Amino acid sequence: SYVLTQPPSVSVAPGKTARITCGGNDIGSKSVHWYQQKPGQAPVLVIYYDADRPSGIPERFSGSNSGNTATLSISRVEAGDEADYYCQVWDSSSDQWVFGGGTKLTVL
Amino acid sequence: EVQLVESGGGLVQTGGSLRLSCAASGFTFSSYAMSWVRQAPGKGLEWVSALSTSGGTTYYADSVKGRFTISRDNSKNTLHLQMNSLRAEDTALYYCAKDQGNDSGFDYWGQGTLVTVSS
Repeated sequence: SYVLTQPPSVSVAPGKTARITCGGNDIGSKSVHWYQQKPGQAPVLVIYYDADRPSGIPERFSGSNSGNTATLSISRVEAGDEADYYCQVWDSSSDQWVFGGGTKLTVL
Repeated sequence: EVQLVESGGGLVQTGGSLRLSCAASGFTFSSYAMSWVRQAPGKGLEWVSALSTSGGTTYYADSVKGRFTISRDNSKNTLHLQMNSLRAEDTALYYCAKDQGNDSGFDYWGQGTLVTVSS
């Protein structure tokens, strides 16, 4: 089955740009979606189709996807961005949704 | 306003069964595929199962295939997950999630219902 690999943790200073990667074999050929989950809350979709933002998601959130790596970027990071972030793809070879292991973003 | 409200969780012994439900409102339920996603305590998200708009096509994670059955009642705007032969590793918070469509991810999630399987 398809595997998505994320770093367990990323740390960034306030006001800087955080980049969270999601690795997978030829992930650039798939559509990647990203979720933010704060403690005790349900996940929230922040990026879909690699780089599209749902309504209500700040422009500070952006995404890219090429080759074997997809990236979620958060510019001008704020304390409120501290959360777990998950990438997701649809694996058409197994007809299954796949989530990455998640990355804990810490704002220093 | 879209709302997804899960119910049916609880404490069950190993080998037992539970039926989860998800009541949907605020959108045309019959027009969207739906999924169940679970999260074990302190762990990441794990997709469990998905169901097409009509209920005619089902998808399962390998970890639950043959034990769990997803279904929907479009007349009652309700999604179900029948869980049989439960194992300790099925202990998790189970979320119901609405598919945006065209494999574009899940735009709405419920708050989850907790399933605890004890030996």
